[in-house]
Amino acid sequence: AQSVAQPEDQVNVAEGNPLTVKCTYSVSGNPYLFWYVQYPNRGLQFLLKYITGDNLVKGSYGFEAEFNKSQTSFHLKKPSALVSDSALYFCAVRLYPSGAGSYQLTFGKGTKLSVIP
Amino acid sequence: EAGVAQSPRYKIIEKRQSVAFWCNPISGHATLYWYQQILGQGPKLLIQFQNNGVVDDSQLPKDRFSAERLKGVDSTLKIQPAKLEDSAVYLCASSWRGAVNTEAFFGQGTRLTVV
Repeated sequence: AQSVAQPEDQVNVAEGNPLTVKCTYSVSGNPYLFWYVQYPNRGLQFLLKYITGDNLVKGSYGFEAEFNKSQTSFHLKKPSALVSDSALYFCAVRLYPSGAGSYQLTFGKGTKLSVIP
Repeated sequence: EAGVAQSPRYKIIEKRQSVAFWCNPISGHATLYWYQQILGQGPKLLIQFQNNGVVDDSQLPKDRFSAERLKGVDSTLKIQPAKLEDSAVYLCASSWRGAVNTEAFFGQGTRLTVV
């Protein structure tokens, strides 16, 4: 079955330190991967996506993600964490067509990032 | 550009009552999605429209949930009758198209509490 997983419910990091939020996937063929961030009482905001090409993808707010095909991972990273980065982060994958023929965007369960001053 | 608009922001109803949510997508976006996000979980797709046609409603509980997008622009999602387990945030999203490489843009959501 095709799926995306976020193995950590919560990640704590000190302000100024590098951060990593993990995501692994299981799909047939080439995956199309996305990261979204959700602040309290807000909708999801798109951060970045991997479609093809360079394995290191750069996105909004200084975030980047590294696609690793051999490890089936798409971890979100930032060199220096800010307190304002504290939020809920979701990894998502576009799945191959369902029975109705659409490319469904499926989300992981989310990882809560807390950046400690 | 204006984002995805949703209303209401909050709704509290009793079980067995009905409720409707409204969504206006980003102008020009052909694809519209409704997601259900239960507390502590990732969003789950309920239904996906391409213009005014349904392309995926495989996870929509059709005995109680319905959705429409009559003119290919705004959309409504209805629940009738509501159950306690329907308490969740209902997110609307849109994208330029439903292709595999396009990201979706989300509204702020409607928080539904069923008591």
